[in-house]
Amino acid sequence: EVVLTQSPATLSVSPGERATLSCRASQSVGINLAWYQQKPGQAPRLLIYGASNRAAGTPTSFSGSGSGTDFTLTISSLQSEDFASYYCQQYLHWPPLTFGQGTRVEIK
Amino acid sequence: QVQLVESGGGVVQPGTSLRLSCVGSGLSVSSFAMHWVRQAPGKGPEWVAAISYDGRDKFYEDSVKGRITISRDNAKNTVYLEMNSLTPEDTAIYFCAKSKMSLYYDVWGQGTLVTVSS
Repeated sequence: EVVLTQSPATLSVSPGERATLSCRASQSVGINLAWYQQKPGQAPRLLIYGASNRAAGTPTSFSGSGSGTDFTLTISSLQSEDFASYYCQQYLHWPPLTFGQGTRVEIK
Repeated sequence: QVQLVESGGGVVQPGTSLRLSCVGSGLSVSSFAMHWVRQAPGKGPEWVAAISYDGRDKFYEDSVKGRITISRDNAKNTVYLEMNSLTPEDTAIYFCAKSKMSLYYDVWGQGTLVTVSS
């Protein structure tokens, strides 16, 4: 099973600042990595797939990078609606499909 | 509007069974692999099961094998999750989700809450 480790667990950022979230895989997943945003009481929403491709409706302020075992989600300038939890998911080695434990982005 | 709508959750006692349903709205689920993903309170999502577009292939997370069955009725545009011998560890919001050929999820339902408690 591929274990995804996200860091930090909580990120405190001021509006307008940049946020950098990390996801590390226990073995190479190539670029088969997705990022999701989740707000309280809602389902996750796909942001990024293929490590760096923005899904339909994802603002350009979100960008994904990385390959192999190290991935990054960057939010260039945080807006109020971006404060949420973020999860990475790998889809190369399965079953099982696996998710990280999440990074919560909170207002500083 | 493309939607997946889950139902069937509730509060049940340990050892009992429950069947969850997921109906596509504005979306024909028959063309896609479908998945169930659960999320325990305060935790990240956890993949539970998947079924191929035609129902021939089914996959399960190890901890639920033998207790959970995924199935689909494409004529009803519906996917099911039959859960038996439920334990408190099964308490979670259960989401159905649609995947593309690559197994990331571009459409999610709103989830249905399953609480297993005596």
